This record gives sequence, structure tokens and C-alpha cells, in this order.
Amino acid sequence: DTGVSQNPRHKITKRGQNVTFRCDPISEHNRLYWYRQTLGQGPEFLTYFQNEAQLEKSRLLSDRFSAERPKGSFSTLEIQRTEQGDSAMYLCASSFTGGESYGYTFGSGTRLTVV
Amino acid sequence: KQEVTQIPAALSVPEGENLVLNCSFTDSAIYNLQWFRQDPGKGLTSLLLIQSSQREQTSGRLNASLDKSSGRSTLYIAASQPGDSATYLCAAKAAGNKLTFGGGTRVLVKP
Repeated sequence: DTGVSQNPRHKITKRGQNVTFRCDPISEHNRLYWYRQTLGQGPEFLTYFQNEAQLEKSRLLSDRFSAERPKGSFSTLEIQRTEQGDSAMYLCASSFTGGESYGYTFGSGTRLTVV
Repeated sequence: KQEVTQIPAALSVPEGENLVLNCSFTDSAIYNLQWFRQDPGKGLTSLLLIQSSQREQTSGRLNASLDKSSGRSTLYIAASQPGDSATYLCAAKAAGNKLTFGGGTRVLVKP
């Protein structure tokens, strides 16, 4: 297993277009998380899945954002009608279910630029 | 609501000096605390994870301590090298299994 994989690495899109990002987690991990990071800030939680169930969504996740994890494997994050404020690094992470013993493994992120 | 703070936001040291990075959190009911390194434009690399029942963790030149009662964690990097230049982020995992991140400390090690 090569870790958490995210595609594409970079995406430049025009305002108003839709974009979709993909995340392939570590295969043994049943939890998958999406975070957003703007320049100079720490990552902020967007949503997470346990297997195929989306268990929590942040208020940051407006109705233009949707995430799926069909069959509990890879996940996609779609942003509809992109706005310049959506420009950020989108990070995916995965982990085992559990308490104190398990940490997160992050992917390399997808850098979105909305022009 | 958990809040995580890292001070200072930026730090510059000469090569060879020891680095001390601070992280504070408001809710002591955490499962663990994780330290990450982030290079410019890249994702996060996990450095150390300290479980709530532990006081410290070590890996090579890195040592992280955890004091839940005071809501603090410290990352020590011994004998810093220019390759240690990066942003260091701490994150606390609490009920709900979300990680709450600090804003990071940007470190520059000058040769």
C-alpha cells in the first residue's frame, strides 16, 4: 500500500465551473476524512465517512459541496459552481476506527485555484 | 468546542540550535495529539502521535511531550538542520474523531 492518494494534484478552473477530486485511502482504513486548508492556516474539517456512511459534515460544507464514498473505498469531493473563495488545498486522510491508538494518514492534497 | 493554538507563528534559528515548538488546546478530553510536518505546497507528514495516556514520544531527533492537565504539547527537535525547515502543525483528536488543528509554526533553519 502506497498510502493515501489524491488526484489531481493541481486544478485550475474558471469561476462557475464544477470540479471533482478523488481520494484513495489506505485500503485497511475504514475512516476517510476531507479537510480544507487555506494559505497560512491549519486544515479545517469538512466531512468524514466510516465505510460508505457519511457521519458528519461541517458547516463549512455548503450545499455546493458534496462528498461520496461508494462501497466504502475511494471517495470523491465535488464542488459545484465554484467561487474564488473555494481556492484552497483540499486534503484527504484515512484512519482506523478507534480512540487513542490511531492517527491519521494524509494524502498530498489537491490544490484548487479558481480564476 | 476544541481550539488549538500554536505560538509563535514563525521561528528562525541558526543550524545546530534546538527547536522548541509549542501547542496548546482548550479541551483536555483528547484521545491523542499528533504532530505533522508540511513542506510548501505539499500534504501533511505525520511525525509523532502521543496517546492521551502517554507523557511523551520520541523518534530520532524528535521528542514530543503531552500535559493534558495544562492543555499543552511541546515538540523538541534537537540539533536542527536546514532540512528541518517546514511548517509544523499539531492536531488534537477528541470525541467525534475529528482532528482539530493549530495554525502551525513556520520554521526556518539558517545554514
